[in-house]
Amino acid sequence: AIQMTQSPSSLSASVGDRVTITCRASQGIGNDLGWYQQKPGQAPKLLIFATSNLQSGVPLRFSGSGSVTDFTLTINGLQPDDFATYYCLQDLMYPLTFGGGTKVESK
Amino acid sequence: DVHLVESGGGVVQPGGSLRLSCAASGFNFGDHYMDWVRQAPGKGLEWVGRIRKEANSYTTEYAASVKARFTISRDDSKNSLFLQMNSLRTEDTAVYYCTRASFGSGTYFFDYWGQGTLVTVSS
Repeated sequence: AIQMTQSPSSLSASVGDRVTITCRASQGIGNDLGWYQQKPGQAPKLLIFATSNLQSGVPLRFSGSGSVTDFTLTINGLQPDDFATYYCLQDLMYPLTFGGGTKVESK
Repeated sequence: DVHLVESGGGVVQPGGSLRLSCAASGFNFGDHYMDWVRQAPGKGLEWVGRIRKEANSYTTEYAASVKARFTISRDDSKNSLFLQMNSLRTEDTAVYYCTRASFGSGTYFFDYWGQGTLVTVSS
């Protein structure tokens, strides 16, 4: 199975900060990577698909980049609503695999 | 609006069985692959399995941890997705989410999720 290693596992940031989360695949996955946001007690929400495509309705401060094995989720200008846990997911190969998650907390 | 509503969760003893359902509305259910994703208490997300649409013969894929114990099925006439869980183990305790898989830019992604249903496996 493809392993997805997400880093950091947690970070502290302030409103207005630029936040970067990375995901590394154990083998090449092309651009078959998505990013999801989850808040406590809620279902995950799709932010980005196919590495860099912003899902409809998601604020432009979210962006994704990368290819093959290394991928990045960037939040430009962190907002209060962005404190949450973020997961990457590869869907190139079965079994689909999530990263371990990155919890973004308020500094 | 797209809605996915899971039901059927509860408490079950190890070795027991449970069947989860997911009622879909607001979209053409038969046009989409559907997946189950679970989350153990305080842990991350784990993909459970997928069922493809009729055009792909309703074929299925499973995580190794549930293969041969869990079965995903669907009834397109009732816009419903199911997860039959047998030989349940304590490590199957989790919130189970029903998700819609959509295709775009050459890849699949989960664009809608249900609210989840909690399954607790305990004696």
